[in-house]
Amino acid sequence: EIVLTQSPGTLSLSPGEGATLSCRASQSVGRTSLVWYQQVPGQAPRLLLYGASNRATDIPDRFSGGGSGTDFTLSISRLEPEDFAVYYCQHYGTSVTFGQGTRLEIK
Amino acid sequence: QVQLKQWGAGLVKPSETLSLTCGVYGESFSGYSWTWIRQPPGKGLEWIGEISHSGSTNYSPSLKSRVTISIDTSKTQFSLHLSSLTAADTALYFCARGRESYTILSAFKPPRRESLHFDYWGQGILVTVSS
Repeated sequence: EIVLTQSPGTLSLSPGEGATLSCRASQSVGRTSLVWYQQVPGQAPRLLLYGASNRATDIPDRFSGGGSGTDFTLSISRLEPEDFAVYYCQHYGTSVTFGQGTRLEIK
Repeated sequence: QVQLKQWGAGLVKPSETLSLTCGVYGESFSGYSWTWIRQPPGKGLEWIGEISHSGSTNYSPSLKSRVTISIDTSKTQFSLHLSSLTAADTALYFCARGRESYTILSAFKPPRRESLHFDYWGQGILVTVSS
């Protein structure tokens, strides 16, 4: 089973800054299988990107994704107050695995 | 607009069975994977398993011996049963709709599923296992 490791665990930034979150897989995975979610505490996760870089419906273009093989990134430009949340990456192989999450907090 | 609404008991005793149901409203029930995911308090997300419209299931290896997911297409609902509960099963339980993509390998082999992601989620139910 593939293990996803996200870094950093917590990222402290100010509104208006840019953020880069990392997701590293324990072995090479296809881009099509890598997904990103945003979760505000107490709410259900929200789909952000699928296929590593395809934005889901109604996701603003300040969210972008990249990477291949074992290393993937989620970038958020010009942070808005509503962007401060926890972000998870997810992979599908024969089952589904999630990273442990990155908390994006206001500095 | 697709909506998933969950219901079930929020407090269950150790060794008993958790039962949750998710109703799907607003769009076709077929052509998707219907999934359960949980999140222990203060922790990350854990996939429990899925069921297709036709009733085929796929479970997390770590929970497989205790999980049953079933579907009622006439009511556009699917359900989760998790047995032999312990305190470690205390979590926020979500249902979700899974969207898949496939690759056709050849005319003689079934297509291979390449991806699965979750675009609509239920509101979540906190299930506490305690006597």
